[in-house]
Amino acid sequence: EADIYQTPRYLVIGTGKKITLECSQTMGHDKMYWYQQDPGMELHLIHYSYGVNSTEKGDLSSESTVSRIRTEHFPLTLESARPSHTSQYLCAREESWRDRVDGYTFGSGTRLTVV
Amino acid sequence: DAKTTQPNSMESNEEEPVHLPCNHSTISGTDYIHWYRQLPSQGPEYVIHGLTSNVNNRMASLAIAEDRKSSTLILHRATLRDAAVYYCILRAYNAGNMLTFGGGTRLMVKP
Repeated sequence: EADIYQTPRYLVIGTGKKITLECSQTMGHDKMYWYQQDPGMELHLIHYSYGVNSTEKGDLSSESTVSRIRTEHFPLTLESARPSHTSQYLCAREESWRDRVDGYTFGSGTRLTVV
Repeated sequence: DAKTTQPNSMESNEEEPVHLPCNHSTISGTDYIHWYRQLPSQGPEYVIHGLTSNVNNRMASLAIAEDRKSSTLILHRATLRDAAVYYCILRAYNAGNMLTFGGGTRLMVKP
């Protein structure tokens, strides 16, 4: 079972609004990620964090920003939502397993629609 | 990360075995082979991973070619709930690089 939580599950919002997508995890893992996925398309990394006060941009350019003030929370913010931001946003945490190979656990995602 | 090649889609009948292929001819000695799957309207979930030897877990089996240039994810008895996009991903041992998803294989299961 996943111990990574994303809220809201679905969000419909008007153009120009500021929104924050929440992502939280309970296991204290340092590495967390945000991916963006358009319907039927590949996942693209937009942000990642290796710990508190550490944030970096991913491979896909995004107008969103992230913060990591606490280990448990990795929120993503859009200052002014636009229809082009309509997509699914997936948060993930990373952990090391027995053979030290790192695996990802994903949240259920937030499906954002900007009208 | 080295690239992988997977068929865009595959079909299977319910309760029959499914063999999902993945080619990774440029795999390096430190690359692990990971498989994730994404059910409709959900985030990806881990399925299995391996390095050289075949691996089994409760979800699937992973068969790795002797030269490691290809691998096959085996679902022993497909159910309708196995319909998903399956991603084959290479990731170097203990690397700081990210998990990079390609297009994957969309598996359709017919009743």
